[in-house]
Amino acid sequence: NAGVTQTPKFQVLKTGQSMTLQCAQDMNHEYMSWYRQDPGMGLRLIHYSVGAGITDQGEVPNGYNVSRSTTEDFPLRLLSAAPSQTSVYFCASSRASGSSADTQYFGPGTRLTVL
Amino acid sequence: GQQVMQIPQYQHVQEGEDFTTYCNSSTTLSNIQWYKQRPGGHPVFLIQLVKSGEVKKQKRLTFQFGEAKKNSSLHITATQTTDVGTYFCADHTGSQGNLIFGKGTKLSVKP
Repeated sequence: NAGVTQTPKFQVLKTGQSMTLQCAQDMNHEYMSWYRQDPGMGLRLIHYSVGAGITDQGEVPNGYNVSRSTTEDFPLRLLSAAPSQTSVYFCASSRASGSSADTQYFGPGTRLTVL
Repeated sequence: GQQVMQIPQYQHVQEGEDFTTYCNSSTTLSNIQWYKQRPGGHPVFLIQLVKSGEVKKQKRLTFQFGEAKKNSSLHITATQTTDVGTYFCADHTGSQGNLIFGKGTKLSVKP
């Protein structure tokens, strides 16, 4: 199993450009999520999905869109990049949602710089 | 919204010294997970605590969940250079299984 994969690993954008960060998992996990990590801020939840066709907003959703057409893939779209979106983005997945609280498996991250 | 406070933000120790990071909340925690992130890496799950007063050990690492489920701690005995990284606690907020992360404690170990 490859686990959780993310592409690209690094990206530089200009303000106003759009792009999609890719995330895929091969563990048949129902729950997937996107976090951003900024220095001193920990990990903040952007969007999450509890299954194919179901998505919802997290703590910091503005400027980002997601969709979940398959169990395996959960892309994150930046609509119009802004310097404030410079960050490291992590995708994560777990077997199920709910209070049973499964382990979350994180991808290697995408380091995004917006100029 | 719910916040998970983690202290200290940074800790510098000499190799062989002990290290402790604390995770606190003003509300009752659902269950606590601990993650470690090596420099340049991604968070990796260490352990989950569910029961009030629970104590779990992994070699030199001891994890505790407070009796009132409002705090948790991670203690490392005799740190090694391989312990370097940032340690995060995270709480599950509810039925959707979302994690609320503390801001982490960055540990550096001087050989």
